[in-house]
Amino acid sequence: DIQMTQSPSSLSASVGDRVTITCRASQGISNYLAWFQQKPGKAPKSLIYAASSLQSGVPSKFSGSGSGTDFTLTISSLQPEDFATYYCQQYNSYPPTFGQGTRLEIK
Amino acid sequence: EVQLVESGGGLVQPGGSLRLSCAASGFTFSDHYMDWVRQAPGKGLEWVGRTRNKANSYTTEYAASVKGRFTISRDDSKNSLYLQMNSLKTEDTAVYYCARGAMTGQVDYWGQGTLVTVSS
Repeated sequence: DIQMTQSPSSLSASVGDRVTITCRASQGISNYLAWFQQKPGKAPKSLIYAASSLQSGVPSKFSGSGSGTDFTLTISSLQPEDFATYYCQQYNSYPPTFGQGTRLEIK
Repeated sequence: EVQLVESGGGLVQPGGSLRLSCAASGFTFSDHYMDWVRQAPGKGLEWVGRTRNKANSYTTEYAASVKGRFTISRDDSKNSLYLQMNSLKTEDTAVYYCARGAMTGQVDYWGQGTLVTVSS
C-alpha cells in the first residue's frame, strides 16, 4: 500500500495568515492526489483533486500543487471557518490511502 | 443538489452483522462509482471499499482489513448503496460514510455518516 505522510500533524495560526500543509507519498502517484477538510462532528468536504484542481464551489483561497511524491495545500488569508483538520488522499492505486491528518488550530 | 444519506448504524455485538444503506439523490446514481469510508472515534479516515458502475460490471474493491467480511452492493433502480458487514470486530467501530466517486476518479461528495458501535 502507498503510505501518505502529512506534515505538520498540527499547526497553530492566526486569522489572516497563510499556511501550507505538506503531503508526501511513499511512491510516485502522478497527480492523483485529493485534499479534504473536516470540521469536528462533520463529514469531510472535498477541496482539491488532481493535486491542484478546485472542487466546484471551493473558494480560490485554497490551492494545491505537486506531482509525483510531494504535494502541498496552501490556504491564504485564514478565516475562522478554515480552522479544521485537513487530509490528503492518493487515488492512484488501490487501496486509496489517506494521510494521518493535519489539525489547523487558532493561535 | 447532490445528497447522500446513510442509515442503518447502531450497536452490535462482536461477531454480529449489520447492513448500512446510503440513499442518493440529485445526480445520476448509476453513472458513478461509490465508496465507503470509515473513521474510528478520534482517528483519521480509512477507505473501506468501492463499487464501480454498470459500465464497469459493478466490480468491487475492498480494504484488506474488511475483505471477506464486508460486501458492497448497489441497487441503481433505488439509487441506493449498501454495506453488508459480517463477523464484526470491536475495531470496526467507526462512523461510516458513503461517498460519490467523480468521473475524474476522486471522491467529490460525502454523506453525513452513520455510527457503528461493536461492543459486548
